[in-house]
Amino acid sequence: GDSVTQMEGPVTLSEEAFLTINCTYTATGYPSLFWYVQYPGEGLQLLLKATKADDKGSNKGFEATYRKETTSFHLEKGSVQVSDSAVYFCALIGGSQGNLIFGKGTKLSVKP
Amino acid sequence: DTGVSQNPRHKITKRGQNVTFRCDPISEHNRLYWYRQTLGQGPEFLTYFQNEAQLEKSRLLSDRFSAERPKGSFSTLEIQRTEQGDSAMYLCASSKRGGRNTGELFFGEGSRLTVL
Repeated sequence: GDSVTQMEGPVTLSEEAFLTINCTYTATGYPSLFWYVQYPGEGLQLLLKATKADDKGSNKGFEATYRKETTSFHLEKGSVQVSDSAVYFCALIGGSQGNLIFGKGTKLSVKP
Repeated sequence: DTGVSQNPRHKITKRGQNVTFRCDPISEHNRLYWYRQTLGQGPEFLTYFQNEAQLEKSRLLSDRFSAERPKGSFSTLEIQRTEQGDSAMYLCASSKRGGRNTGELFFGEGSRLTVL
C-alpha cells in the first residue's frame, strides 16, 4: 500500500543553519504530497503542499519540490529560527481512499 | 474563526471502562476525520464523515470503537472495554466542502487516552 518514509530525528540545529528533512514515498499513481508541522502544544497544521511532479510548495521560508523520478519530497529551509522547533510530518494522498497517509515525523530542535 | 476543539484533552481510565471523546469542527466544514497517533508514529486514519454520513472506516477501527456525527456538526468517538493498547492521542480534523480531498485538514490539539 501507499506509504511515506521520513528521516528519523531528532534533528538539532543552531539558529540560522540550513535544514533538510528527507521524505520519500511509495504510491500507485500520482499522489499529492504534503508537509504538516506540529508546534509544541498545538495541533498539526498544513505547512505546504505539491500536487504534481516538479511542483514546488513553499511557506514561511520552507520549500519542498515534488520529485517523481526519485519519489521524494524533501523539506528545506535556508536559515532556521528557534521558533521553527517542532515536529514535521510528511504525508501523501493517493490511491483510491483519498485519505492522508503520514510518515512517523521528525522532531526539529533549533538552539539559539 | 475558531479552530477544531476536542474534549477532554486528557483521559485516564482503567482497562475495561468505556470512554468518549468529542470533537467540534470548524463551522461550515462538512468533512470530519478521526486519526490515532501513538508515540513515535505519525497519525493513522480511523474514520471519516461527510456531513452526518460515515463514509469510510479503517480496519484499525475495531468493533469496540464507534464514531457518530448525528447532526453533521460535532462528532463523538466512543471506545468500549478499553485495552492498554488503546492508549494513544486521538486527533480530530475537519476540512472544507469540496468534491476531491485536497488534503488540507485542520486538526485539533487531540485527546490523549491513557489506559491503566
